[in-house]
Amino acid sequence: AQSVTQLGSHVSVSEGALVLLRCNYSSSVPPYLFWYVQYPNQGLQLLLKYTTGATLVKGINGFEAEFKKSETSFHLTKPSAHMSDAAEYFCAVITRMDSSYKLIFGSGTRLLVRP
Amino acid sequence: GAGVSQSPSNKVTEKGKDVELRCDPISGHTALYWYRQSLGQGLEFLIYFQGNSAPDKSGLPSDRFSAERTGGSVSTLTIQRTQQEDSAVYLCASSLLRGAGELPTQYFGPGTRLTVL
Repeated sequence: AQSVTQLGSHVSVSEGALVLLRCNYSSSVPPYLFWYVQYPNQGLQLLLKYTTGATLVKGINGFEAEFKKSETSFHLTKPSAHMSDAAEYFCAVITRMDSSYKLIFGSGTRLLVRP
Repeated sequence: GAGVSQSPSNKVTEKGKDVELRCDPISGHTALYWYRQSLGQGLEFLIYFQGNSAPDKSGLPSDRFSAERTGGSVSTLTIQRTQQEDSAVYLCASSLLRGAGELPTQYFGPGTRLTVL
């Protein structure tokens, strides 16, 4: 069965500092991987996704993630945090064997940005 | 272009009552998903509709939960005899049909916050 583990339920960084949110997946077949962001009282917004091809994926708002098969990881990074990045971030996986393409989510990481 | 809309935004009900939650997907999107977001269980899949195909109901937690999609557009999630553990945010998402070599993006609505007293 597919699963996603997000290390750290809360991450706090200073404004301008590097953001690193960790995600590891478990899948018996090559997965599709996603990062979503959720602002307070809003739905989920797609940041980026990995399907095939280039393992370094660039998304919106300056975020990027690298698919590392050997480490079964898909960590999310941003070189310089902004106050507006404060939100909850979810890593998710879709298995290629699943015709429903339903998302399996991690438990989420809340990013706090200190002034 | 309007996104996915859901109504009501908030619903407070008493234990044992039935509730209906509505989702209007993005026009032209043939796939529709329901997810639940709760403190204890995180984000979890409930049900998936794709065109006229049989829905994937594998995520529904009990037979008190049901959903339908009329005319391939609007969907209603019904919870019968609500329990306190049903309190959660119910999220709806829609996407286009998967094209050759392309994985469609799921677009989420703002959710319905259900509180069962």
